[in-house]
Amino acid sequence: QKEVEQNSGPLSVPEGAIASLNCTYSDRVSQSFFWYRQYSGKSPELIMSIYSNGDKEDGRFTAQLNKASQYVSLLIRDSQPSDSATYLCAVNDDYKLSFGAGTTVTVRA
Amino acid sequence: SAVISQKPSRDICQRGTSLTIQCQVDSQVTMMFWYRQQPGQSLTLIATANQGSEATYESGFVIDKFPISRPNLTFSTLTVSNMSPEDSSIYLCSVEEGAPAGETQYFGPGTRLLVL
Repeated sequence: QKEVEQNSGPLSVPEGAIASLNCTYSDRVSQSFFWYRQYSGKSPELIMSIYSNGDKEDGRFTAQLNKASQYVSLLIRDSQPSDSATYLCAVNDDYKLSFGAGTTVTVRA
Repeated sequence: SAVISQKPSRDICQRGTSLTIQCQVDSQVTMMFWYRQQPGQSLTLIATANQGSEATYESGFVIDKFPISRPNLTFSTLTVSNMSPEDSSIYLCSVEEGAPAGETQYFGPGTRLLVL
């Protein structure tokens, strides 16, 4: 499987702040990138997908993709305690997905 | 997105026994995937199951240990055979729903397995 690396956590941010999550991948031909959120004891939930260079915004979430640098990030604005979870970066690997190890985010009230 | 269910949601099993996990989808899907998530770890793909063909296993996983069935486009099973405590994990099925760039996967709720 292709390598997908995420910034090590845990990441602790105060409520209302911006949480910044980073992900790098090894294969230049990857075309599809995903961010999943996983609450403790639950299965992963898709929150963002991005396919083109640049930014993609969805509510308080913004994904950023830079294929030249093989880098994808997720920004969570106005972080809420309900955002406390593990965030998994995933990259397409032919017909499959390769997942990073995840970054655990804790939002402090 | 498709609604995915798994049975059982959790189980406690004795070593040496086998457990079959079911995954049911409310719509027809071509590709289904089975993952393992060991405690504190990320997701590891076990195999890809397409209807009408043999499952494709990832490195480190073999059919004798993890036999998979895919009898139709809405259902699949994963069996964990001859279990040992190292098999204690969450087992997840997922389905792919296509966008042109593809590979968007949605996950079932998971089966939490503890082997004693």
